[in-house]
Amino acid sequence: DAKTTQPNSMESNEEEPVHLPCNHSTISGTDYIHWYRQLPSQGPEYVIHGLTSNVNNRMASLAIAEDRKSSTLILHRATLRDAAVYYCILELNTGNQFYFGTGTSLTVIP
Amino acid sequence: NAGVTQTPKFRVLKTGQSMTLLCAQDMNHEYMYWYRQDPGMGLRLIHYSVGEGTTAKGEVPDGYNVSRLKKQNFLLGLESAAPSQTSVYFCASSYDNEQFFGPGTRLTVL
Repeated sequence: DAKTTQPNSMESNEEEPVHLPCNHSTISGTDYIHWYRQLPSQGPEYVIHGLTSNVNNRMASLAIAEDRKSSTLILHRATLRDAAVYYCILELNTGNQFYFGTGTSLTVIP
Repeated sequence: NAGVTQTPKFRVLKTGQSMTLLCAQDMNHEYMYWYRQDPGMGLRLIHYSVGEGTTAKGEVPDGYNVSRLKKQNFLLGLESAAPSQTSVYFCASSYDNEQFFGPGTRLTVL
């Protein structure tokens, strides 16, 4: 069973904000939420992660719902280089295991 | 630093053949992982290791074996390859909640 669900694809105009949603209704209290992105023919690349509170870094922001059953990755100003597949991932605290969703393919329109 | 490297980059096997994929990291990370990625899907964890000499099963371990004899190397073995093992294989190492991925090995089993 998928532990995270994401829309298959989204589009954004260049230099506009992008909100990528993720549902993880079976999350437990000690599971971390991670976001990675993957360019064609490359391995995934770390974007951001969090547990309960909202998080910001130089790449993005992560907004976590109060009940932790969903989260949103926010890219503040999309660039053409942000076009990638974005994965919402649960890290179960039972064994350092990552559970990937099927990802959202982000297209950035110039 | 080379980061995480994988050998080979591509390989074609016949059903029943065996092979070993090599992952090496120069970041002195304790944790290492092997994933597979099938078309249109997210990555799935095969096996992982939390330190030299230790290994554990992930989400899809059947048909694979691993060894972690040296801290910097994590080997993935296929004893008798099957067409269902055609996939792209990614290795990763991790530190402080962030996983660093290699470039992948594309394996085709005929």
